[in-house]
Parts: sequence; C-alpha cells; structure tokens
Amino acid sequence: DTEVTQTPKHLVMGMTNKKSLKCEQHMGHRAMYWYKQKAKKPPELMFVYSYEKLSINESVPSRFSPECPNSSLLNLHLHALQPEDSALYLCASSPRTSGIVTDTQYFGPGTRLTVL
Amino acid sequence: DQQVKQNSPSLSVQEGRISILNCDYTNSMFDYFLWYKKYPAEGPTFLISISSIKDKNEDGRFTVFLNKSAKHLSLHIVPSQPGDSAVYFCAAMQGGKLIFGQGTELSVKP
Repeated sequence: DTEVTQTPKHLVMGMTNKKSLKCEQHMGHRAMYWYKQKAKKPPELMFVYSYEKLSINESVPSRFSPECPNSSLLNLHLHALQPEDSALYLCASSPRTSGIVTDTQYFGPGTRLTVL
Repeated sequence: DQQVKQNSPSLSVQEGRISILNCDYTNSMFDYFLWYKKYPAEGPTFLISISSIKDKNEDGRFTVFLNKSAKHLSLHIVPSQPGDSAVYFCAAMQGGKLIFGQGTELSVKP
C-alpha cells in the first residue's frame, strides 16, 4: 500500500481567511513533504519534515505554516494568502530521512486551492 | 537554471507502438532518478526509478535507460496503451529533494 491521503480535495478561500490542508499516510514513512504545483509546471518543493522535524524550508512565505503533529500527519496552515497562491498543493511521503539516495517519494492526490 | 530538462513538451504515439520519453540533466552528482506519471488534477504516480550504478531498469511495459556519460535518461513504454496518456515527469534526487523536469505530455491514439 502506497497511499497518501489529502483533505480537502478542493478549497476556496478569501485573502483574510485561515484554513488548513491535511495529509496522512500509514506506511510508516518518516519523511513527509509539501509541494506546490501551478498549471503546466512541475511540482515545486516547499517543506520537508524528517522524523517530525522541519528539515527543509525552501524560502516559503510565512503565510504558509507547516506542522507535523506525529509521524503520520502533516498539516499546512494558510493565512492571508494571495490570489497567486492558487495552485494544486501536493503532499508526499518517503520511507526514510532526507539524504538517503534511493528514497522514493509517494504523492497524494493533492488539494486544489483557489484564493479569491 | 534548470538542472533537469525534458525538451519535448508533447509526444503523440499510436496504440501498440513504443513511446520514448527523454530527459537530460546537468548535475553529475545526481545518483537516483525517477519517472512519475500525472493525470490532470491528481498527484504524480511513481512509475519506475533507476540508481546511477545501473544503466537499465525494467518493470513490465516500462523500461528506464540511463546514460551517465551523456547525462541522459529515457523511459520506454512498450506497447503503448491509450490509458498511458498523461504527463510524464522525470525527476532527480539530490539531498532528499526531488528536482523535476518540465514534463512531457504523452498522447496515445487508438
């Protein structure tokens, strides 16, 4: 089983709203990731958690705040977003920590976010 | 500067024939490469990978070839099926990060 689940599937929010995206995996993976994907572009890495600790932040604006409550869950808290933040937000997980060469990442279906 | 490049944005192939998707990279320190398939509004699905110590890896209809001296890899799909129509991303791993190419949209026509 290589399933990563994400909720909600779609989200529409105003620029003053606070919302959260959720990601869950039960594969025992110890690394989890957030990516952002705009139309016709490849996924872009935002954050990496390794053993529930933030290990990589790709200079993401502070209006995006990640949280890893436990090894199975990853949240992305959103506040004061801009219309240009509208995108598909993808969560991924991999079995081991960053730096392991052959650590395959498995992606969830994504949350389609629209900021009005 | 793009470290992973897929120079063909699209490819059209007849059902039953071979599909060949190409990927070039610039960083000789990459040592693990992956191919993902993506349908619209869905997450990428892992297809197949290859370590730099190998030059070929095969899984069913999918074969990935790696030419380290040319910094080039390719994905072969034989025989191609209409359900293979999707965007294919090549990715390289560095320090736990996946670096994606721009993708190639494959269309397999019946």
